[in-house]
Amino acid sequence: DIQMTQSPSTLSASVGDRVTITCRASQSISSWLAWYQQKPGKAPKLLIYKASSLESGVPSRFSGSGSGTEFTLTISSLQPDDFATYYCQQYNSYSLTFGGGTKVEIK
Amino acid sequence: EVQLVESGGGLVKPGGSLRLSCAASGFTFSSYSMNWVRQAPGKGLEWVSSISSSSSYIYYADSVKGRFTISRDNAKNSLYLQMNSLRAEDTAVYYCARPYDKGAFDIWGQGTMVTVSS
Repeated sequence: DIQMTQSPSTLSASVGDRVTITCRASQSISSWLAWYQQKPGKAPKLLIYKASSLESGVPSRFSGSGSGTEFTLTISSLQPDDFATYYCQQYNSYSLTFGGGTKVEIK
Repeated sequence: EVQLVESGGGLVKPGGSLRLSCAASGFTFSSYSMNWVRQAPGKGLEWVSSISSSSSYIYYADSVKGRFTISRDNAKNSLYLQMNSLRAEDTAVYYCARPYDKGAFDIWGQGTMVTVSS
């Protein structure tokens, strides 16, 4: 199975900060990577698909980049609603795998 | 409105069985593969199983292979997960999810909690 490693696991930031989360795949997944946001008690919400495509309705402050084995999710200016946990997920193989998550906390 | 609604969760003893259901509405269910994803309390997301639109292709995570069975009824717009030989480590919220763009999940249900405990 393809392993997905996210870093950092926790991130403390302030409103207005630029935030970057990294996701590394154990083997090349081309651009078959998604990013999700999850808040406590809620289902995950798709933010980015195919590594850099913004899901409809998602604010443009969210962006994704990368291909192969290294990917990043960037929030250009952190807003109060963005404090949540973020997950990457590969869908290059039929055995889908998620990263361990990055919790974005208020500094 | 595009919607997925799970049901069937509950408390079950180790070794027991449970059947989860996921009712789909607002989209052409028979055109989409479907998936189950779970999340143990305080933990991350884990993909469990997927089924193609016509049930021709079925895949499982190693952690549930041989114990769980995914199925669907396109006439009833419903997805199922039969869970047998349940273990404490199967305790989780179980989500059904619809994939967009090959495997990114754009639609999720609200989740149903499964607790395996004596």
